[in-house]
Amino acid sequence: DQQVKQNSPSLSVQEGRISILNCDYTNSMFDYFLWYKKYPAEGPTFLISISSIKDKNEDGRFTVFLNKSAKHLSLHIVPSQPGDSAVYFCAATRGGGYNDMRFGAGTRLTVKP
Amino acid sequence: EADIYQTPRYLVIGTGKKITLECSQTMGHDKMYWYQQDPGMELHLIHYSYGVNSTEKGDLSSESTVSRIRTEHFPLTLESARPSHTSQYLCASSVGNQPQHFGDGTRLSIL
Repeated sequence: DQQVKQNSPSLSVQEGRISILNCDYTNSMFDYFLWYKKYPAEGPTFLISISSIKDKNEDGRFTVFLNKSAKHLSLHIVPSQPGDSAVYFCAATRGGGYNDMRFGAGTRLTVKP
Repeated sequence: EADIYQTPRYLVIGTGKKITLECSQTMGHDKMYWYQQDPGMELHLIHYSYGVNSTEKGDLSSESTVSRIRTEHFPLTLESARPSHTSQYLCASSVGNQPQHFGDGTRLSIL
């Protein structure tokens, strides 16, 4: 069963605007959430994470919001840049271990100049 | 700066062949992982290792096997490749609670 879902396969935004990528999860035991970014022909690279004890984590242009009651998290990119065009994967795990981490299917973000 | 290396990057091979996908990392990470990803789908963990001589199966059943004889090396082997093994295979490593570092993957096609 897919415990982490990214329901939007793709998203297109204009350069300088905000990009919002969404992720839903079903397992209430998840307590640590990550976003990875993947360029074509490269492996995923870690972008930002959030623990379930927080509802927001910010790193430069990237902010992740967590709504535990809705089992929903989102990644905001402000302002979006053409170099942000990539596939973004949401992932969730519990207890800090990666052997049971679950990934979403990814959202392809295109930022138009 | 690739600290985790996967070879080959692409492999097209016939059914029944024995295949070994290589993964090496230079970061001294104790934990290593193999994921399988089909196009447009999520990554699925197929094997992981918490250290030398330690290997475990992941949540996705796989006919592949792994070994961890050295900290830096975590090869994946398919004894007899089949078309159903066609996929992308991603290797990753981590230490402590730090996020995983991923290799660039091997795209495998079995004819």
